[in-house]
Order: sequence, then C-alpha cells, then structure tokens
Amino acid sequence: QVQLVQSGAEVKKPGSSVKVSCKSSGNMFRSYAFSWVRQAPGQGLEWMGGIIPLFGTANYAQKFQGGVTITADESTRTVYMELHSLRSEDTAIYYCARVDTTVIEDFHYYGMDVWGLGTTVTVSS
Amino acid sequence: EIVMTQSPATLSVSPGERATLSCRVSQSVSRNLAWYQQKPGQPPRLLIFGASTRATGIPARFSGSGSGTEFTLTISSLQSEDVAVYYCQQYDKWPPTYTFGQGTKLEIK
Repeated sequence: QVQLVQSGAEVKKPGSSVKVSCKSSGNMFRSYAFSWVRQAPGQGLEWMGGIIPLFGTANYAQKFQGGVTITADESTRTVYMELHSLRSEDTAIYYCARVDTTVIEDFHYYGMDVWGLGTTVTVSS
Repeated sequence: EIVMTQSPATLSVSPGERATLSCRVSQSVSRNLAWYQQKPGQPPRLLIFGASTRATGIPARFSGSGSGTEFTLTISSLQSEDVAVYYCQQYDKWPPTYTFGQGTKLEIK
C-alpha cells in the first residue's frame, strides 16, 4: 500500500516562504503525477499545481503561477511544494496527492488516488 | 476559466434512502470528472473517476453518471459512515489542470 508522508506543521511570518515535502513509499515514483491541493480553514479544496517526476516539469493553477514552486527528487522519491511571499490567507492544510491514470477505450482518466495526511501551515505575525 | 457548481450545498437524507448530488460545469469536460469524499479531519478519498468508474475499494452503493456539463453522484442507500463533504473535480488538457467544485455537505436526517 503506497503511502505519502508529509512534513510537519509550520508557523511562518508574512512575507516568508515555506517548503513542504511529501515522500512516497511506493515504487514507480517517476511515472506517476503528483499534485498539491490546499484547504483553508472551513473551506473547500483548491488545486495548486502538479509535477510528473518522469518529465521533471511542473504545471500550476493560474492563481499560483509565480508564487509556488513544485519540484521532485527521484533519488528520495520526494515531491516538494514551496510557497513564496506568504500572507495570512495562505493559512491552510496543504495536501499532496498521487494522480493515477486509467485508460478506458483509448481515453485517459485521472484520479487522485493516494493522499498525504496534510501539512498545516499557519501564517501569522 | 471553468466554473464548477455543486448542488445542493447541504443535503439531509434518512438512513437507507437515496442521496443524489449534482455537479454542473460551465463548459463541456466530456467525462473528465472525478468525485471525492472528505470526512472531518481526513484527507479526501477518491470515489469515482471518468465520471462513472468506481475507484478501488469503493462500495457499489456509490455510482456516478453524466457527461459534458452535467454530472451526478448517487448513493443508493445512505449509511451513517457516508456523512461527509463531497467534491466534484474536473480536469482538462495535458498536463492536466484541475478545478474542484465548492462541495456538498451530506448529513443524516
């Protein structure tokens, strides 16, 4: 059973950065996609961006372009999400998720099938 | 920008009854839609992908339907453990970008 183990809770000052890690216990790390999703207190889910370690390049939601950097380290099977210029509105739980691909009749369908437990980031002066 | 609208915001259903959750998308996404269940204090759990295919280990009482812009998640016989918030999610192009709906909170009546 694949697990995603995330780094611990963080408390940060406004204007600083935070880097959250997500380590996969499974094989075939490089051939899966991984996404980062955040959830502000009492709010819904928000996709931030993702990466496919096989290709090494990340893509981001328009809202987070330039404000987030997602990277992957194949040697440690770890994905990272760095959020820059933190504001109080960035206080949230940050989840990493593995994206599985299923091919049905030549169509590719995606689902985030394994999730980390989340990392709470609190931004406060 | 694709907008996802879930309805109702809150749904109260008696145990053993059917629960029907709706997700409307502002433009056609074919069958590129998934459903997730989130219980308090837990990460989301994948229920349905490709609009209608149950993920591994998901009970048969959960079913998804629809294509294009209108999608439905049905729980055929509500169990107490189904109390949760349910999110739909669409994805498009490659590499995929994702958008979540705002969620439907499902309660036991």
